[in-house]
Amino acid sequence: EAQVTQNPRYLITVTGKKLTVTCSQNMNHEYMSWYRQDPGLGLRQIYYSMNVEVTDKGDVPEGYKVSRKEKRNFPLILESPSPNQTSLYFCASSLQGVSYEQYFGPGTRLTVT
Amino acid sequence: GESVGLHLPTLSVQEGDNSIINCAYSNSASDYFIWYKQESGKGPQFIIDIRSNMDKRQGQRVTVLLNKTVKHLSLQIAATQPGDSAVYFCAEKGSSASKIIFGSGTRLSIRP
Repeated sequence: EAQVTQNPRYLITVTGKKLTVTCSQNMNHEYMSWYRQDPGLGLRQIYYSMNVEVTDKGDVPEGYKVSRKEKRNFPLILESPSPNQTSLYFCASSLQGVSYEQYFGPGTRLTVT
Repeated sequence: GESVGLHLPTLSVQEGDNSIINCAYSNSASDYFIWYKQESGKGPQFIIDIRSNMDKRQGQRVTVLLNKTVKHLSLQIAATQPGDSAVYFCAEKGSSASKIIFGSGTRLSIRP
């Protein structure tokens, strides 16, 4: 089944404790992206990757890192999480960039206390 | 800056009626628009898209209309069903070919 998977689905952590949210797709997509979703703000792009070893900032990249060492995986790293990073996070992938249908993962709900 | 917004945050529709969800965008250079549906507890799901060289595009029970003159986008759902209950987002490809901007969403609820 073609899909985007994220882990963990739920995470509660404390300020400053490094964490990684994994994202994997099995569709051989070149483009992958991370979004955060907050009430009243819709989805905002954090980082995206056009292909392996190519990543770039979205609209809200502060406090986040990503890597794209292989095509299928695009982990999101929070080196020192803060409470304002409490949010619902979605990973997405598409064949080639945003002019193609994006497939979204199920989401990761992160709470930073 | 670029922005994509929605006229109404909530919409209540009688089951069987048609639904119309509206969206305004600000970047007249945008050439690609998408509608997503997000059900509770799930990620957004692609519904339909339209490129700027078109005014209308139809899918199964859904139609997207694009009015570039007034920078307006709408999603029409025919014969609305309970399964259509969700939040609907319009999205716009930004000035960068790699970025997309989402609106804040409209919640569609269905009255029996």
